[in-house]
Amino acid sequence: AQTVTQSQPEMSVQEAETVTLSCTYDTSESDYYLFWYKQPPSRQMILVIRQEAYKQQNATENRFSVNFQKAAKSFSLKISDSQLGDAAMYFCAYTSGFGNEKLTFGTGTRLTIIP
Amino acid sequence: EPEVTQTPSHQVTQMGQEVILRCVPISNHLYFYWYRQILGQKVEFLVSFYNNEISEKSEIFDDQFSVERPDGSNFTLKIRSTKLEDSAMYFCASRNYEQYFGPGTRLTVT
Repeated sequence: AQTVTQSQPEMSVQEAETVTLSCTYDTSESDYYLFWYKQPPSRQMILVIRQEAYKQQNATENRFSVNFQKAAKSFSLKISDSQLGDAAMYFCAYTSGFGNEKLTFGTGTRLTIIP
Repeated sequence: EPEVTQTPSHQVTQMGQEVILRCVPISNHLYFYWYRQILGQKVEFLVSFYNNEISEKSEIFDDQFSVERPDGSNFTLKIRSTKLEDSAMYFCASRNYEQYFGPGTRLTVT
């Protein structure tokens, strides 16, 4: 079974600084997809960024980028120029493919932005 | 931008009662999901639904749970006889490509 591990229950960063959230996963599959979801206090789950395992290039969405290390099974999220609105729980998630596969989530990292 | 919607936003029910949580997925999506999140814990998969039938369900999704797509738009989760431990946030999601989540229904069982 696939597992997703987030070893940082809480992180904090000064506004405008950069922070990296860690995620590791375990799978025996070669084709899969990784995601970061943001959950603000409203508890809505918001897709931040996705990475296809077959792509070597790291995904980027504005201030959000990932460092995908397939051999190490590592998928970290970097947030640049942190803003107050970035404060949220961040969940790393895995799915094995384009079938009807479910998402498997990590336990989350609570990110606090210090003004 | 199309979005997944869920009603109600908050449901309070007494133990043993039946509840139906409703979701309207994004219209051209083909895969539908229910997840739940007990307060302070991670999001857990309950069930996936494709082509008008369940494609996968978790151990949590026992005989007390059922899903239905009664028409072309709604996707419902029914809990037949609620227990205290069913208190959680329930998320509906739909996808063709990546999953998009609804805002959730907070279920409180008293």
